[in-house]
This record gives sequence, C-alpha cells and structure tokens, in this order.
Amino acid sequence: SQQGEEDPQALSIQEGENATMNCSYKTSINNLQWYRQNSGRGLVHLILIRSNEREKHSGRLRVTLDTSKKSSSLLITASRAADTASYFCATVHRDNYGQNFVFGPGTRLSVLP
Amino acid sequence: NAGVTQTPKFQVLKTGQSMTLQCAQDMNHEYMSWYRQDPGMGLRLIHYSVGAGITDQGEVPNGYNVSRSTTEDFPLRLLSAAPSQTSVYFCASSWGAGTGELFFGEGSRLTVL
Repeated sequence: SQQGEEDPQALSIQEGENATMNCSYKTSINNLQWYRQNSGRGLVHLILIRSNEREKHSGRLRVTLDTSKKSSSLLITASRAADTASYFCATVHRDNYGQNFVFGPGTRLSVLP
Repeated sequence: NAGVTQTPKFQVLKTGQSMTLQCAQDMNHEYMSWYRQDPGMGLRLIHYSVGAGITDQGEVPNGYNVSRSTTEDFPLRLLSAAPSQTSVYFCASSWGAGTGELFFGEGSRLTVL
C-alpha cells in the first residue's frame, strides 16, 4: 500500500505548547498535504508542500518534507483548545489518470485548557 | 457558497438493500472522489472521476458503483448493502486531477444492519 502513516496516533498537550505530528510514506510523491478534521465534520485542507520544497509556513503551522527519508512533519505552535482535532497527511501520487490522494490513519490531537 | 454537498447525512439500511449517496459541487471542479472512513483506517478511496464521463476505481471499489454524467454530480451507489459497508462516506472535489487541495463534504454516516 502507498498509505502514509502518521505518528503518533494520539497526542495530548497543554494549551500554549507546540504539537508535532509526523507522516511517513512509501513511494515517490508529487506533493504532500495536511488536513484537519473536527469531530463529526469533513476534512479541511491546511497546507500543501511540493516534492521540491523542504519547508513551508502558514500562520502557526510549519510543515517540513524530507523526500530522502520519505517523511513529513507538521508543527503547530502555541496550540489552542480549538486546535483539538484529528490531523491527516495525504500523499499525492501519479497514476494513469493524473494524480491521486492517499491518506494516512491520522493523529488525534487533544489540547487541554 | 455551498461547496461540496452530500445527502443524506445519516442512513440506516438492511442487508441487501440498495441506495445512492448523492454528491454535488458548485465549484466547477473536474476531479471528484468518494472515500470511506473507518476507525483507525484513515480515508480509503472508493472511486474517483477526473471529468464528466470518466471514472476509475480506487483502493476499495467492490460493492460500489459510480457515474459522472455532469461536472457537478458524482453519485455513489451501493448495489446490495452489507454490514461491512457500515462507515462514514466522504465526497471530495478538486481542480484538475488532484493537483490542488481537496474540498470535502460533511459526510454521510451509513449503518447497515
């Protein structure tokens, strides 16, 4: 399977702390994306990093990509209770029709007030 | 802006019944896809489409049919429901064949008894 794997499966931190989640994958990618899912809701796109990029920032989010190690990390700085959610990485691969997305099982983040 | 709209939000079926999950998007996206989400499994791709008249199978297509007669609509049909199809189903769309971010619907929770 090309599925990415997030690590850890669950993470519990205090408000104000930083949260780091990791994603590993198996095959070459076109880009890697991170999504957030609040309980009972659909996924929402957070950030996209292309295979030729090493780091990207968006507000309190920082994403790194190491294609030699086939891994990515998502850092959320100064976390808030509202950041409590599940976070998924999605690797985008080429296939016969263009490109397609493969999601990992996710990291459940709990930010305690 | 409606974005991606899924109906119904909840459905209970008996084994052997058939039904259609509806998905519509108003963003003129070429790419549309269906995922199922099961605990600890992340999202698994069922079927996808890169444009009207073009569909292809994903990772877990058995027991499901799709068609894409218009750009806006991408219904998912369960031909003969089985308890193993109890899951939360998400429709998602994107510009082009997965070259950008995915926009998700709010999900359809299906229980097969």
